[in-house]
Amino acid sequence: NAGVTQTPKFQVLKTGQSMTLQCAQDMNHEYMSWYRQDPGMGLRLIHYSVGAGITDQGEVPNGYNVSRSTTEDFPLRLLSAAPSQTSVYFCASSYGGAQSTDTQYFGPGTRLTVL
Amino acid sequence: GEDVEQSLFLSVREGDSSVINCTYTDSSSTYLYWYKQEPGAGLQLLTYIFSNMDMKQDQRLTVLLNKKDKHLSLRIADTQTGDSAIYFCAERQSGGSYIPTFGRGTSLIVHP
Repeated sequence: NAGVTQTPKFQVLKTGQSMTLQCAQDMNHEYMSWYRQDPGMGLRLIHYSVGAGITDQGEVPNGYNVSRSTTEDFPLRLLSAAPSQTSVYFCASSYGGAQSTDTQYFGPGTRLTVL
Repeated sequence: GEDVEQSLFLSVREGDSSVINCTYTDSSSTYLYWYKQEPGAGLQLLTYIFSNMDMKQDQRLTVLLNKKDKHLSLRIADTQTGDSAIYFCAERQSGGSYIPTFGRGTSLIVHP
C-alpha cells in the first residue's frame, strides 16, 4: 500500500491564482481530512469527509473547497489564493466510526507559498 | 479556549527522560493519542490510550492518563537525538465527527 499520497510536494502561487491540492489513499478509509500547519498554531482542520459524497467544514474552511466523488480521492481547491494561505497542508485518512480507534494516517504534506 | 493544550518546547539531555504534558477539556473523550512529526514529514501515530485506562507502556514510551484532571502525559525513557521532533497530543470525542482534535504540538529538542 502507498498509504496517503499528496501532490505536489511544493507549490508557489501568485495572489489570486487558483489551484488544487491532490490527496489519495489506497486503504479504503471512509474518513479523510485536510489540515493546515502554521508555526505555533499546530494543526487546524480545514474540511473533512466521512464518506464519498459527504463533506463538512472544519475550523478554518474559508477560501477552500473540497469534494469527495470517490472513496480514494479528496482534493482541496484554493479558489483565489491569498498570502494568508501560505502554509503546509496535510491530508489524513482513517477508518472512522464509533468502533474504530480512528488512527489518522497522514500524507507527507504540500508546502504552499502564496506571493 | 483550546480543546487540547500543550507547552510548545521541551529541551532535554541525551539519555535523560522526557515528559511531555497535555491537557484536554472534553471529559467524554474516548481515545487520546500521541503523534510524532519529524522535520519535513507528516505526522505518525506513536501510541494511543483508551479513556478507561490509566497507563499504557510500549518499550521506551509510557502514557499516563489522569481523567479527573483531564491530563495526559508521554514519557520517553533514555531519550535519544532521534527522538527530536514535534509531538502532538490529540483527543477524539465520543460524539460528533470522530475527527480528532490536535494540540499545537511540543517541540522536543535533545542535546548531547
